Amino acid sequence: KAGVTQTPRYLIKTRGQQVTLSCSPISGHRSVSWYQQTPGQGLQFLFEYFSETQRNKGNFPGRFSGRQFSNSRSEMNVSTLELGDSALYLCASSAGTGTVQETQYFGPGTRLLVL
Amino acid sequence: AQSVTQLDSQVPVFEEAPVELRCNYSSSVSVYLFWYVQYPNQGLQLLLKYLSGSTLVKGINGFEAEFNKSQTSFHLRKPSVHISDTAEYFCAVSKRGAQKLVFGQGTRLTINP
Repeated sequence: KAGVTQTPRYLIKTRGQQVTLSCSPISGHRSVSWYQQTPGQGLQFLFEYFSETQRNKGNFPGRFSGRQFSNSRSEMNVSTLELGDSALYLCASSAGTGTVQETQYFGPGTRLLVL
Repeated sequence: AQSVTQLDSQVPVFEEAPVELRCNYSSSVSVYLFWYVQYPNQGLQLLLKYLSGSTLVKGINGFEAEFNKSQTSFHLRKPSVHISDTAEYFCAVSKRGAQKLVFGQGTRLTINP
């Protein structure tokens, strides 16, 4: 079974631009979560999508948004990029039955550099 | 709200020596506990998890962890480490019934030959 894939793996943008990151979950998984990893703040939860609906949201500004498609693939978008948005963005998928007994499987991440 | 404290940011050990990575958590509700490992330039991989039952949890690659409710701890141990265990280790908690993981700051494990 293929794992979680994220594209692109690396991205360089300039301040003020916007960016879209993509995540394809493991086949059959319906829940997709996004995390931001930075040296200063560590790993922080952005949001979770299940069946095309945002089910949970972290404490990030509205510039960070996401969506999920009917095939469970998910995208996250960051508008008006700031230098502090430079980070590794990780996507995780799980079956999505709503219990935490299920394991979350992480992708390799997209490394975003904002100049 | 939940929070996680990993008491050591870096732990250097010699190959074949035992290691313990410490994790304390805070929560007003029952939680699930996890340890993840991140190898360089990779995503996170689940090592083990505590949901309920026996407080000693065994995971992959020879790791184990013990849940101590009175001390709100979930320390990770391995009796004999290998060079290949060099990585960053993250302790995480989740409120029961939620997918959101709250992570500690991570512990970088360095194995010296």
